[in-house]
Amino acid sequence: GAGVSQSPSNKVTEKGKDVELRCDPISGHTALYWYRQSLGQGLEFLIYFQGNSAPDKSGLPSDRFSAERTGGSVSTLTIQRTQQEDSAVYLCASSLGQGKETQYFGPGTRLLVL
Amino acid sequence: GNSVTQMEGPVTLSEEAFLTINCTYTATGYPSLFWYVQYPGEGLQLLLKATKADDKGSNKGFEATYRKETTSFHLEKGSVQVSDSAVYFCANSGAGSYQLTFGKGTKLSVIP
Repeated sequence: GAGVSQSPSNKVTEKGKDVELRCDPISGHTALYWYRQSLGQGLEFLIYFQGNSAPDKSGLPSDRFSAERTGGSVSTLTIQRTQQEDSAVYLCASSLGQGKETQYFGPGTRLLVL
Repeated sequence: GNSVTQMEGPVTLSEEAFLTINCTYTATGYPSLFWYVQYPGEGLQLLLKATKADDKGSNKGFEATYRKETTSFHLEKGSVQVSDSAVYFCANSGAGSYQLTFGKGTKLSVIP
């Protein structure tokens, strides 16, 4: 079956603009995660959604970052007033549930803030 | 909190050489342990995992054993191929937790 898909694959934006990144999880997966991969920080957890529960936003680096998940499926990560330090690859993953379930990753969105 | 430490790269090996990439972790309780691989130009893929002490994960000739006494999950392969050239990430998810904590990654280059 189809894996996790993300769009766009690449995004170039100017400092101060808002960007939206999209993630389509694997069908039937109730858990969805966003991570960020950057040269300086490695792979960092950002946010986690499980079913209809309130998301765990503990990894979001600032209030410029937000995410939503509509209908328990597609998720959008929004970065407002982008800064150059936001440049990174944003990865989405999904799993059947939480805990010890394997997370399957999408190809990522490479964001470059000029 | 959770943490993962893996050996710094890059690692360069000749084809058919033996590979070890060290990984140690800290976590509360009994975490699950993972190795993910990122091939050039591709996304993260699960390579293998282990969910309890003494479990051995294996895939594509790679192996790693969950060692609770040494809090380690070292990745090994007996004979590497050029196609194994990639970045390898060790990760854990703490007991009762769900977010993955990753190591910094180890870049492996295998030369013919």
